[in-house]
Amino acid sequence: AQKITQTQPGMFVQEKEAVTLDCTYDTSDPSYGLFWYKQPSSGEMIFLIYQGSYDQQNATEGRYSLNFQKARKSANLVISASQLGDSAMYFCAMREGRSNQGGKLIFGQGTELSVKP
Amino acid sequence: GAVVSQHPSRVICKSGTSVKIECRSLDFQATTMFWYRQFPKQSLMLMATSNEGSKATYEQGVEKDKFLINHASLTLSTLTVTSAHPEDSSFYICSAVEPLRGYGYTFGSGTRLTVV
Repeated sequence: AQKITQTQPGMFVQEKEAVTLDCTYDTSDPSYGLFWYKQPSSGEMIFLIYQGSYDQQNATEGRYSLNFQKARKSANLVISASQLGDSAMYFCAMREGRSNQGGKLIFGQGTELSVKP
Repeated sequence: GAVVSQHPSRVICKSGTSVKIECRSLDFQATTMFWYRQFPKQSLMLMATSNEGSKATYEQGVEKDKFLINHASLTLSTLTVTSAHPEDSSFYICSAVEPLRGYGYTFGSGTRLTVV
C-alpha cells in the first residue's frame, strides 16, 4: 500500500531565507507521481510542483524546487527566499500508477510553515 | 485552467438532518472525482473515489450509507452526509482528475460543515 510521511508538524523560517520541508514515501509501483500543495487558512489547495518517478531531473517552479532522491524515497520541497505569504500548511502527496490512469492522491500529515519577518 | 466549483462553501445544519455538497467541473469532463475530509490542522483523508456512471469506491472505515456519493454526469459529483451528527463537522473537499490533461488534479474550494 502506498504511504507518504511528513515528519515536521511545524517549521519556522526567517523571511528571505530558504527552507526545506521533508517528505518520504513508500510504494511498490514503479510508476508514481509526487506532488506538493500549499493550503492557506482559507482551505484552498494550491498546486506547487510535481515530480514523476521517471523524471531524470529535479522539478523546479519559480521559488519552489523538489529534491527528488529516488533511492531514499524522499521528495523534499525547497522554498527559496521565503516570503510572509508563504506561511501556510504544506502537503506532500503521491499518486500510484501512470498519470493518465488518474489514480487517487494520498496525502502526508502536513507541515505548518511560519515565516517570520 | 480547469476549475471545479464546490458548493456550498459553508453550511450549518441541525443534528439528524442531511446535507448535500456539490462539485461541478466547469470546463472539462471529470471522469473521476475524489472526496476528502479534513479535520483542523490534519491531513486530507480520502473518503471515496467516484467514477461517472458507476458506484463509488469507499476507503476502509468510511460508512457508505452515511456518506452517499453520486457521480451522475461527467461534470457533477455530489456528497450527501445523511443523518449528520456533530462528529461529522469537518472540512470536505473534492478533487477531479481528467486523465487526458496529464497529471492535473483540480480541487474544489472546500465545504466547511458544522453540525449543531
